[in-house]
Amino acid sequence: QKEVEQDPGPLSVPEGAIVSLNCTYSNSAFQYFMWYRQYSRKGPELLMYTYSSGNKEDGRFTAQVDKSSKYISLFIRDSQPSDSATYLCASQAAGNKLTFGGGTRVLVKP
Amino acid sequence: NAGVTQTPKFRILKIGQSMTLQCAQDMNHNYMYWYRQDPGMGLKLIYYSVGAGITDKGEVPNGYNVSRSTTEDFPLRLELAAPSQTSVYFCASSYSRPGAGNEQFFGPGTRLTVL
Repeated sequence: QKEVEQDPGPLSVPEGAIVSLNCTYSNSAFQYFMWYRQYSRKGPELLMYTYSSGNKEDGRFTAQVDKSSKYISLFIRDSQPSDSATYLCASQAAGNKLTFGGGTRVLVKP
Repeated sequence: NAGVTQTPKFRILKIGQSMTLQCAQDMNHNYMYWYRQDPGMGLKLIYYSVGAGITDKGEVPNGYNVSRSTTEDFPLRLELAAPSQTSVYFCASSYSRPGAGNEQFFGPGTRLTVL
């Protein structure tokens, strides 16, 4: 079993819709949770960074962590074609290495 | 700041050849990492370094070597290239403190094909 699981997609939505992305993880020691966005043929860029359970909002992006169910979510409101990318979730225990999910490809259609 | 830079962008190698992938960062980060990403897959850690002179193996270190003589540079060496090393290689860096999380910043990647 992978430590961080993510549906590979692709997830196709119309412009303006809410994009909902999820990951599950198995390691109870994970405390830090991140979402990276990766455009085709580019390096991943950090979108959201959260510690422990709770919500974090940044513009159109909201990250949620539920440690009791080991569930990580990212919501993108008012999606734009420029949001089309692969989204990678990552988790980390304190002082340890990041563990990445396989990524979910998102396509926002105009 | 240039952030994390990688060279070359693309390379084609023949089986058995060797090469060095270059990585540099100008953010004074103490930690640096090398990942590989295969099509449709996530990132797998090859090697990492917590500071100059200190390196350690990640999840998939076989066939690779690293060195860290300065804070800024973290080259990855492939000694005897094999088709299984065809991948996209990403270098990353972060400023990390013991017992804390770290936000990693990635370079643009090197696309390597071994034929």
